[in-house]
Parts: sequence; structure tokens; C-alpha cells
Amino acid sequence: KAGVTQTPRYLIKTRGQQVTLSCSPISGHRSVSWYQQTPGQGLQFLFEYFSETQRNKGNFPGRFSGRQFSNSRSEMNVSTLELGDSALYLCASSLSGTGGSDTQYFGPGTRLTVL
Amino acid sequence: GENVEQHPSTLSVQEGDSAVIKCTYSDSASNYFPWYKQELGKRPQLIIDIRSNVGEKKDQRIAVTLNKTAKHFSLHITETQPEDSAVYFCAASRGTLTFGKGTMLLVSP
Repeated sequence: KAGVTQTPRYLIKTRGQQVTLSCSPISGHRSVSWYQQTPGQGLQFLFEYFSETQRNKGNFPGRFSGRQFSNSRSEMNVSTLELGDSALYLCASSLSGTGGSDTQYFGPGTRLTVL
Repeated sequence: GENVEQHPSTLSVQEGDSAVIKCTYSDSASNYFPWYKQELGKRPQLIIDIRSNVGEKKDQRIAVTLNKTAKHFSLHITETQPEDSAVYFCAASRGTLTFGKGTMLLVSP
């Protein structure tokens, strides 16, 4: 099976802009979670989608949003970008509906740089 | 919410030595504890996981132990090799994964 894919792999934006990142899960996986990875804060949970519904949400401002489509592909959007949003954004997919208690497989990430 | 502490932040060993990374968690309801390895510039890869109904799990040179009473779990790598050099993350979950800050393991030949 193909692994989790993310597009684009690299992105450079300026403050105030918005950005949309895409994640395609492993075929058959219905849960997609998003994480922000920075050197200072490590891996932080953003949100999880299952069957097109946001099931869990981390402690991030409302500028961070996401959605999931009927084919389980997911997108996340960050509006009004700030310098501190520069990070590696990782998505992870899992098979079933047990949320974080199910094995999660990570994508390669999207490296976002905000200038 | 859940809080996961991971120690040490860096660990240097000689090839062939053992390496131990320890994590503690705060939420007694957490029931799933995976460990991920992340090589430089690559995605995190699951190396082993354990659930709360199991005290120990082993896979070749890698083992994980869980002490639910003390709320801590550990990763043990025996006979380390240079290719084991990476950042290792522990995590705890009761629905969403909360990660430790990571341990950079350096194995010198």
C-alpha cells in the first residue's frame, strides 16, 4: 500500500497570508490527524478528523482549521499567518475509529516558512 | 490534559551498548503508548507500542516497559548500532496522542 502523502512538501509564505495543506491517508484509513512540529515545542496535536467530522481538537487558535472529504483526504488551513507558524506540519492516518489509540502512520510533512 | 515528560533530551552511547529512554505521563486514563523514531529530515516511524493491559513488549533489540501505577514507560534498545542514531519520541494517548519532547540518540562506532 502507498503510504501517507502530503502536498506541497515545502511552502514559503509571508505574514498575513493564508495557506492550505493537503494530506492523503493510506487507502482504507478513515482517521487523519494533524500535528505541528517545531524545535521548541516538539510535536503538538492540532486536530483529528474521522468520517468527515472533527473528532478532537488541540489547543491552537481558530486560525488553524481543517476538513476531511468523503475519500478521507484532509486539508488544513492556516489564515493570517504569523512568523511563529513556521513549522513542519505532519499528518498521520489510522485505520479505525479509536482515535489516538490506533496505530498512526505519518506523512513526510509540509515545511512551512513564514517570512 | 495529558502531559508527557521525556528524559534524557540527548543520549550518546558507543556501538554495542544499551540505551534507555524514560517517559512519564500524567493522565491515568491513557491507555496507549507508542514510540516513534525520526531520522533527520524524515517522517516519524512507529518502532514499538504498548497498551495499558500489557507490562512489557519486545521486538528484537527493542523493548518497552510500562508501569501504570507509577505512570511511566521506558524504551530499551540493546546492542545499539550507528543506524539507531535518530530522535526518539514517546507518546501517551487516551484518544489523542501527546508526545514527549524527544531524545536525540547518538550511537558512535
